[in-house]
Amino acid sequence: DAGVIQSPRHEVTEMGQEVTLRCKPISGHNSLFWYRQTMMRGLELLIYFNNNVPIDDSGMPEDRFSAKMPNASFSTLKIQPSEPRDSAVYFCASSPRGGRGPVGIQYFGAGTRLSVL
Amino acid sequence: DQQVKQNSPSLSVQEGRISILNCDYTNSMFDYFLWYKKYPAEGPTFLISISSIKDKNEDGRFTVFLNKSAKHLSLHIVPSQPGDSAVYFCAASVGPGNQFYFGTGTSLTVIP
Repeated sequence: DAGVIQSPRHEVTEMGQEVTLRCKPISGHNSLFWYRQTMMRGLELLIYFNNNVPIDDSGMPEDRFSAKMPNASFSTLKIQPSEPRDSAVYFCASSPRGGRGPVGIQYFGAGTRLSVL
Repeated sequence: DQQVKQNSPSLSVQEGRISILNCDYTNSMFDYFLWYKKYPAEGPTFLISISSIKDKNEDGRFTVFLNKSAKHLSLHIVPSQPGDSAVYFCAASVGPGNQFYFGTGTSLTVIP
């Protein structure tokens, strides 16, 4: 299995621009998570989906952030407009549910390092 | 407010010695705990877990201890190896299939 695939690996953009991060979860996994890693707060959960449905988006910092999961194999996290304080590493993770596989373990992608200038 | 705290940002240990990484939590509803390991430029990878019905879980050189009354867990690595140098995150959830709350991580350096 290829694991969780995130793209791009690095993104440099200017303040005010739209940024779209992409994630392909592991095939067969029902849950998908978006995290942001910062020095101060560690790994923060932004939003997670079960069966393509957003379950909890309380971690999304503000309305500039949005996430979608149009099908079981693809999700996007969009920031519009981006700001310098959004600079961080963004991780996507997926997890099997419903008894298939080791319940509770999340498998992470390699992350997208975002720099907003 | 951080519900899972790792108060030591970094730790250095000599190769062959024991590494002890600590984690505290505030939510008494947490009943499932995990440790993840992260190398630079990679995503975190699962290392070991423990449910609240146990106080110890061992996997090779890695042992996780849970002290529910103190709301404290620790990860012991023995013997430590240079390849163990990484950032270690602890995480907790209410039930194994639910949202994880992560700590801020501890950077472990094992000195050859």
